[in-house]
Amino acid sequence: SQKIEQNSEALNIQEGKTATLTCNYTNYSPAYLQWYRQDPGRGPVFLLLIRENEKEKRKERLKVTFDTTLKQSLFHITASQPADSATYLCALVGLKRNSGYALNFGKGTSLLVTP
Amino acid sequence: DTGVSQNPRHKITKRGQNVTFRCDPISEHNRLYWYRQTLGQGPEFLTYFQNEAQLEKSRLLSDRFSAERPKGSFSTLEIQRTEQGDSAMYLCASSSKGGTKWEQYFGPGTRLTVT
Repeated sequence: SQKIEQNSEALNIQEGKTATLTCNYTNYSPAYLQWYRQDPGRGPVFLLLIRENEKEKRKERLKVTFDTTLKQSLFHITASQPADSATYLCALVGLKRNSGYALNFGKGTSLLVTP
Repeated sequence: DTGVSQNPRHKITKRGQNVTFRCDPISEHNRLYWYRQTLGQGPEFLTYFQNEAQLEKSRLLSDRFSAERPKGSFSTLEIQRTEQGDSAMYLCASSSKGGTKWEQYFGPGTRLTVT
């Protein structure tokens, strides 16, 4: 069966350090992979998208890598700040005929950045 | 652009009652998705609309669930004869058909509690 796995344990890091979150998937051939941020009681917010033919994508302090051989994506937040504390969700997009671009999400990884 | 809105934000109902949720997507977005999220899990896809047509339904969407999107604008999700297992956050998302079609914009969700 298809699985999307993210670090199950919360990640605690000190302000200023780089946070690295992992997303692994099995039995899946995603065309795209996305990362979302979710704060408690709120809906997810889109952060970055990376295509299967791209190795790396950057946006300000965020960097995403995508290794389709390893079936893994890494999400980095450099110079982390307490405001980065949230749950980060990995989502895969598979192109089915009628599902538009429905997302399949991992469980998410909780990040806590302490001053 | 006011973003995706959902109403109500919270709903408490007794088992066996029917409930209806509403989603107003971003006005120019033709794609609309419903997801369900339980505590500690990522959102799970329920159903997808392109304009007014419901093109995909997840196996999670039992016969007690029905969704509509009349005239391709707002959407409603109805749950009949609610069960305690229906308690969750129900999220609506929309996306455009243009260059940013892969990005989904989520509403704040409706939290359902079935007692």
